[in-house]
Amino acid sequence: DAGVTQSPTHLIKTRGQHVTLRCSPISGHKSVSWYQQVLGQGPQFIFQYYEKEERGRGNFPDRFSARQFPNYSSELNVNALLLGDSALYLCASSPETGREAFFGQGTRLTVV
Amino acid sequence: AQRVTQPEKLLSVFKGAPVELKCNYSYSGSPELFWYVQYSRQRLQLLLRHISRESIKGFTADLNKGETSFHLKKPFAQEEDSAMYYCALRTSNYQLIWGAGTKLIIKP
Repeated sequence: DAGVTQSPTHLIKTRGQHVTLRCSPISGHKSVSWYQQVLGQGPQFIFQYYEKEERGRGNFPDRFSARQFPNYSSELNVNALLLGDSALYLCASSPETGREAFFGQGTRLTVV
Repeated sequence: AQRVTQPEKLLSVFKGAPVELKCNYSYSGSPELFWYVQYSRQRLQLLLRHISRESIKGFTADLNKGETSFHLKKPFAQEEDSAMYYCALRTSNYQLIWGAGTKLIIKP
């Protein structure tokens, strides 16, 4: 069982650039959620997708967007990067909404 | 406001001593509470959820709606319990709201 996989594991970007983070859920899982974890804090909910539709959105600016593909993988996009976007971005998958969430190892984004 | 508070950033106890990790929440609806654990160099994983009322790795947690708490307890700490522990609340639209986490260190 490969578990939830995220790519890349580490990324360095410059202020103002755009970034795309990718997540492959566990096989058979139809729900994907994204979280931002700043150093020293707990994860903050960004998005949830189920069956390719957005089911929830956290308190993040419109620079953050996401989508889910027919194979249930997902992308998180962040435009016009700010220094404050530096964080660990976590993806979690579950069979359906409301079921146990399984987490990936995260993508460490550093904005310089 | 929806909020989860873990008042202790760091908790250090000796092996064999009891452990209590505190979690308080603020939520207007019917809460669903979880404890997640992250061992060194591993990913976040679910430890237990209040609705299952089970004991996992010797840990238990009871939801106290009167005190809006969901403290995690273990009577005898083991060195392998050293990890980062997060309390989380699931809202009615399935979002997880997280506390800041407590780092538990078990001293030999």
